[in-house]
Amino acid sequence: RKEVEQDPGPFNVPEGATVAFNCTYSNSASQSFFWYRQDCRKEPKLLMSVYSSGNEDGRFTAQLNRASQYISLLIRDSKLSDSATYLCVVNTQNSGNTPLVFGKGTRLSVIA
Amino acid sequence: DAGVIQSPRHEVTEMGQEVTLRCKPISGHNSLFWYRQTMMRGLELLIYFNNNVPIDDSGMPEDRFSAKMPNASFSTLKIQPSEPRDSAVYFCASRRTGLSGNTIYFGEGSWLTVV
Repeated sequence: RKEVEQDPGPFNVPEGATVAFNCTYSNSASQSFFWYRQDCRKEPKLLMSVYSSGNEDGRFTAQLNRASQYISLLIRDSKLSDSATYLCVVNTQNSGNTPLVFGKGTRLSVIA
Repeated sequence: DAGVIQSPRHEVTEMGQEVTLRCKPISGHNSLFWYRQTMMRGLELLIYFNNNVPIDDSGMPEDRFSAKMPNASFSTLKIQPSEPRDSAVYFCASRRTGLSGNTIYFGEGSWLTVV
């Protein structure tokens, strides 16, 4: 089983739609979690961290379910500019001494 | 502040040639990572350094790949000899451990094509 698994998509949604991505991780010792965004032919950039209690940043909501070992990202009121690949990322330590493990990403296309 | 700086941005080389990719991490960051990204395999960690010391190179594909970090502000990833299957985007990333969680910052990548 891969360490971090995501549905590759693509998810094709109209502007204004709500879309959700899920991600599962295999290492129950994972401590910290993130969503990164990667635009075409660009480097990945941090979108948001994922906290145990769930967190929101504008139109984006991230949730963590430790019991089931999955993370979700919800995007409300999708914009054309949200079109990108969203990478689920986990780390086994909070100390920061271990590398992040990336999923392969879920591709989102928001259509006018 | 300058981000992670990588060079070259693009390289096309012939099979068998040596390729050297360079990375300057963000000043003050003490961890450095080399990742490779392909459509088929996604982002794969090749090697990472903490305080200039290689910690885990288990992701390095084979002996043709080597990486060094002679000081806190410079790292190289070398492929010798290069093969067409090495064609990929190579990202360098850095992080300052203990600050702002574990967020890592990527360079813009080195796009390598081996023909």
